[in-house]
Amino acid sequence: EAGVTQFPSHSVIEKGQTVTLRCDPISGHDNLYWYRRVMGKEIKFLLHFVKESKQDESGMPNNRFLAERTGGTYSTLKVQPAELEDSGVYFCASSQNPTGGYGYTFGSGTRLTVV
Amino acid sequence: QKEVEQDPGPLSVPEGAIVSLNCTYSNSAFQYFMWYRQYSRKGPELLMYTYSSGNKEDGRFTAQVDKSSKYISLFIRDSQPSDSATYLCAMSWRDDKIIFGKGTRLHILP
Repeated sequence: EAGVTQFPSHSVIEKGQTVTLRCDPISGHDNLYWYRRVMGKEIKFLLHFVKESKQDESGMPNNRFLAERTGGTYSTLKVQPAELEDSGVYFCASSQNPTGGYGYTFGSGTRLTVV
Repeated sequence: QKEVEQDPGPLSVPEGAIVSLNCTYSNSAFQYFMWYRQYSRKGPELLMYTYSSGNKEDGRFTAQVDKSSKYISLFIRDSQPSDSATYLCAMSWRDDKIIFGKGTRLHILP
């Protein structure tokens, strides 16, 4: 079974540019989550999809972040325009059923550096 | 007050020693308690989870939850160099988002 795949693994962009991160969940997993870790801080929840619907987007920091999951398969997270404080590692996770975190499989993350 | 407190370390112990990692938390609504292991440049990997209070053992790993003290622990017996990683405690209410601790960097010295 393929795991959760994220790409790119690393992205360096200039402040003001746009970046799109992609996550391919495990096939058949309806639940998809985005988390982020900024330097020196904890990994924090961004949002949760159930199929193509946003179940909870309470962790999205501001309207420069847009997440989509068209067709309920892969998901994209777009940052536009990027700011320096957006630098960090963005993790995606998926699960077959909504769980309290014990059923998640995480991807390896996308390391975003905004300069 | 942070919801979850975890000493970031680093913690260095000799091979074969017993390792004790722990977290405290403030929200009594947490029901699920997890320990994730994260190797460099990889995503978190679930190591142990416990529902409510009690102990759980899996091989060399034991997780303990004391809800009355809002304190959770992970013990690693017979530690190996391959156990060197960052260990993250994590908690949640139900089928909800996870709240992570900062993680403790652990080094097992050969």
